[in-house]
Amino acid sequence: ETGVTQTPRHLVMGMTNKKSLKCEQHLGHNAMYWYKQSAKKPLELMFVYSLEERVENNSVPSRFSPECPNSSHLFLHLHTLQPEDSALYLCASSQDDRGGLISYNEQFFGPGTRLTVL
Amino acid sequence: AQKVTQAQTEISVVEKEDVTLDCVYETRDTTYYLFWYKQPPSGELVFLIRRNSFDEQNEISGRYSWNFQKSTSSFNFTITASQVVDSAVYFCALSDYSSASKIIFGSGTRLSIRP
Repeated sequence: ETGVTQTPRHLVMGMTNKKSLKCEQHLGHNAMYWYKQSAKKPLELMFVYSLEERVENNSVPSRFSPECPNSSHLFLHLHTLQPEDSALYLCASSQDDRGGLISYNEQFFGPGTRLTVL
Repeated sequence: AQKVTQAQTEISVVEKEDVTLDCVYETRDTTYYLFWYKQPPSGELVFLIRRNSFDEQNEISGRYSWNFQKSTSSFNFTITASQVVDSAVYFCALSDYSSASKIIFGSGTRLSIRP
């Protein structure tokens, strides 16, 4: 089992659809992240969860809604997206050992979900 | 403010050549960590190295080596005897106390190794 898995790997949706991205980590980590990677733009941090609590919401539009039911699973619920939301969405995990402040430990990434919004 | 600059957008070399990817960072903190990640065409970012600000020793791992110089705020990455499998986008990143829960990524350098 690979460390961080993401499903689906590819998703095409219309602007009125509702879909969810799923991320699962098998590394025993306690922090998880969502990133957005658009063409020719730096990686953008979207959300951070540490110990299942959201500790960062990086000014993300409300049409993106994260959910972290436990330390191994992270979801990103999508609704009424725009074409400019088309991107690669990456999930990552790490071990947070600073008691709520995310540590400096390296993050391990999943393969991403390639999202296309029509 | 924290910032990571990778001035080289794309690099293309012939297999077996050595290649250096540049990374310049900005931070006001004295404690910080620097990272390099590799993103092959499959899309998954692969962690390569983490270096803390108090350890300026250069590091070598096989054909990979890293040169950390605080005096120039640089953390450069060299691949020796490059191979086609090294073709990927490489990201330099910074995490410091001020950024708390964030790793600040550079814009990446796309490396193409031609056979």
